[in-house]
Amino acid sequence: NAGVMQNPRHLVRRRGQEARLRCSPMKGHSHVYWYRQLPEEGLKFMVYLQKENIIDESGMPKERFSAEFPKEGPSILRIQQVVRGDSAAYFCASSSVWNTEAFFGQGTRLTVV
Amino acid sequence: ELKVEQNPLFLSMQEGKNYTIYCNYSTTSDRLYWYRQDPGKSLESLFVLLSNGAVKQEGRLMASLDTKARLSTLHITAAVHDLSATYFCAVDMETSGSRLTFGEGTQLTVNP
Repeated sequence: NAGVMQNPRHLVRRRGQEARLRCSPMKGHSHVYWYRQLPEEGLKFMVYLQKENIIDESGMPKERFSAEFPKEGPSILRIQQVVRGDSAAYFCASSSVWNTEAFFGQGTRLTVV
Repeated sequence: ELKVEQNPLFLSMQEGKNYTIYCNYSTTSDRLYWYRQDPGKSLESLFVLLSNGAVKQEGRLMASLDTKARLSTLHITAAVHDLSATYFCAVDMETSGSRLTFGEGTQLTVNP
């Protein structure tokens, strides 16, 4: 049973480009959480999704960031017009049902140059 | 709003010594987690504590939970260099599903 899979592991984008980060949850998991870790900081919650629904996006920046979790395929975190401050590690976690332990992926390290 | 505070944020200790990392949280929580993170790596789950008085041990690490005091501790016994890493505590609440609120992390360095 594969764990939570994130790709790419490393992503380099120039300022102004778009970044797409993908997260495939563990088999049987339908709840996905995205977190951001800025350098030398803890993880901060961004968004919580179930299949085709955004449940809680209270941690998402108001502009340039969006997330989806379609019926088929991975969850996508999309950052438009990236800026240097977006450089961070982005982690995805998944859980099987509401209020059960979530398991983390390996993360995507985004570098904006 | 749930807040989680860890202390110390930085800890330098010698091999063989004992020390404790503290994690305070501000509101009632369902579960408390301890994670380890090595530089540039993902989170490694160490412990999940579910109830008041819970104590779990793995090797040189022992975690405990006091829900009345809203306090968890991670005790390190006879530290070794391999324990050098950043340790995070995190809590979730029933009303937030499996969403976690993390502490700032404790960067532990164990010196020979």
